[in-house]
Amino acid sequence: GDSVTQMEGPVTLSEEAFLTINCTYTATGYPSLFWYVQYPGEGLQLLLKATKADDKGSNKGFEATYRKETTSFHLEKGSVQVSDSAVYFCALMRYGNNRLAFGKGNQVVVIP
Amino acid sequence: GAGVSQSPRYKVTKRGQDVALRCDPISGHVSLYWYRQALGQGPEFLTYFNYEAQQDKSGLPNDRFSAERPEGSISTLTIQRTEQRDSAMYRCASGTDTQYFGPGTRLTVL
Repeated sequence: GDSVTQMEGPVTLSEEAFLTINCTYTATGYPSLFWYVQYPGEGLQLLLKATKADDKGSNKGFEATYRKETTSFHLEKGSVQVSDSAVYFCALMRYGNNRLAFGKGNQVVVIP
Repeated sequence: GAGVSQSPRYKVTKRGQDVALRCDPISGHVSLYWYRQALGQGPEFLTYFNYEAQQDKSGLPNDRFSAERPEGSISTLTIQRTEQRDSAMYRCASGTDTQYFGPGTRLTVL
């Protein structure tokens, strides 16, 4: 079945550091890929998406590129802020399936 | 415009009681989804509707769980005879190509 794997464990880094969160997927066909973010005390918000191979999603300084050859959708930001502290979820949706399959999420803590 | 709303935001109940969780989707959205999220995990699909028709309920864990959307707008997820293992965050989303989530209902079964 469809599945998403995110790197293990929380991520702690200093303000202005470079952030990478790895995400790989297993799915039939060519799914759409998403990153959702959950800020403390808030609900899930869509951060960015990509719908086909080589597409790059971007928002709020975050980027992720849909890599079909490596079945990956890694999230990156060049210079994080304290306000980026949140839990980040990678997810996929297979065309015609309508359900999202999520990874376990990564807690990101940015220290001033 | 208004996003997805859910009520109640928090629900504490005793084992064996029935609970009803409500979701009000973004106006005009045809598709509505329910997910359950355990602590430290990503959301897991439960069921979804197009208009009032339940299209897929394969994620409902057992027959104590049911959902309806009688007029194609507001949806209710009902859990009968709750058990402690039902404690989780229940999330609702609406949309098609992109799903927009509500704030969730935190259910605690004592």
